Amino acid sequence: QQQVKQSPQSLIVQKGGISIINCAYENTAFDYFPWYQQFPGKGPALLIAIRPDVSEKKEGRFTISFNKSAKQFSLHIMDSQPGDSATYFCAASISIGGRQLTFGSGTQLTVLP
Amino acid sequence: NAGVMQNPRHLVRRRGQEARLRCSPVKGHSHVYWYRQLPEEGLKFMVYLQKENIIDESGMPKERFSAEFPKEGPSILRIQQVVRGDSAAYFCASSQPGQGRETQYFGPGTRLLVL
Repeated sequence: QQQVKQSPQSLIVQKGGISIINCAYENTAFDYFPWYQQFPGKGPALLIAIRPDVSEKKEGRFTISFNKSAKQFSLHIMDSQPGDSATYFCAASISIGGRQLTFGSGTQLTVLP
Repeated sequence: NAGVMQNPRHLVRRRGQEARLRCSPVKGHSHVYWYRQLPEEGLKFMVYLQKENIIDESGMPKERFSAEFPKEGPSILRIQQVVRGDSAAYFCASSQPGQGRETQYFGPGTRLLVL
């Protein structure tokens, strides 16, 4: 019940295209959903986050879509650039308790020039 | 503004030795989390600490692993009698108390290799 399932495992997109990564969760107690970007040899960096009281949040080229009834959320990267090539992790946490993050398994994104 | 600092960045140990990983949180942050990342996998929660207290260690193996966050100084993750399966990247994250606590900022990690 604590799992967050992420797909696809890898994604190849042409420059200028839209990258879409999906996550699904089971635990309805989750109330905070961040996305992290990780480059090789680096730590995860917070990209964008959403709470379940909104269905969409946009920051620049990055958008989170959230479907509470389906228990799914997704990351959309518009106008994908080669510099976006990285591993992306979705995560979820619960406000009651320690707020430890439960991570998805990651999506390796490659944006071709 | 210094972010989360971790050292060493790389650590090589032989089986049976001890590994000691250090984490200095963002200035003003009193909550520290440790996560482990195995190759080609996501991060797994290990332990959550506040100053001088372990709040949740449910993700940490019961044997050989311990963590502390003293009143002064960095948080320490200690692995005793390391085995090859301990080879992984260990990340520390910190957050501030109160509102906004859900946002965790990660350090660059310590990559442990057990020979």
